[in-house]
Amino acid sequence: EIVMTQSPATLSVSPGERATLSCRASQSVGSKLAWYQQKPGQAPRLLMFGASTRATGLPVRFSGGGSETEFILTISSLQSEDFAVYYCQQYSKWPRTFGGGTKVELK
Amino acid sequence: EVRLVESGGGLAQPGGSLRLSCAASGFTFSSFSMNWVRQAPGKGLEWVSYISSSTRTIYYADSVKGRFTISRDNAENSLFLQMTSLRAEDTAVYYCSRPLSVSEAFDIWGQGTVVTVSS
Repeated sequence: EIVMTQSPATLSVSPGERATLSCRASQSVGSKLAWYQQKPGQAPRLLMFGASTRATGLPVRFSGGGSETEFILTISSLQSEDFAVYYCQQYSKWPRTFGGGTKVELK
Repeated sequence: EVRLVESGGGLAQPGGSLRLSCAASGFTFSSFSMNWVRQAPGKGLEWVSYISSSTRTIYYADSVKGRFTISRDNAENSLFLQMTSLRAEDTAVYYCSRPLSVSEAFDIWGQGTVVTVSS
């Protein structure tokens, strides 16, 4: 099984600041990496797939990068609605696996 | 509107069974593979099971293999998860999810149904 490791576990950021989230895979997943956002009491929302392709309607302040085993999600200027938990997920191999999540909280 | 609606959750005793359903609407259900993903209270996301559009291919997480069975009825636009031999660690919100048409990332999610396993 591919283990996905996210860091940091918690990121404290002020509105308007840049947030950088990391995700590492225990073996190469190519570009088959997705990012999801989850707010309390809600289902996850797909943000990014193919490591760097934004889902429909996602603001351009979100960007993704990386390949093989190292990936990042950047939020260029954090808005109030961006405070949430973010998960990465590989869909290269079965079983599909998620990282443990990064909580982006208000500083 | 593309929509997934789960149902069938509730309280079950350890060793008991439950059958979850996921009703799909707003898209051609028979053209998409489907997945179940769960989230234990206060924890992260865990993929549970996959079924291809034709039902020819099925996968399970090791944690549920031999106890859970995924199925679908394309005529009724429905996805199912039969859960048996339930354990306390199966307590979670269960989501059904549909991938993108161009990728296997999970694009559409239901609102989830809560399963609690307790005596």
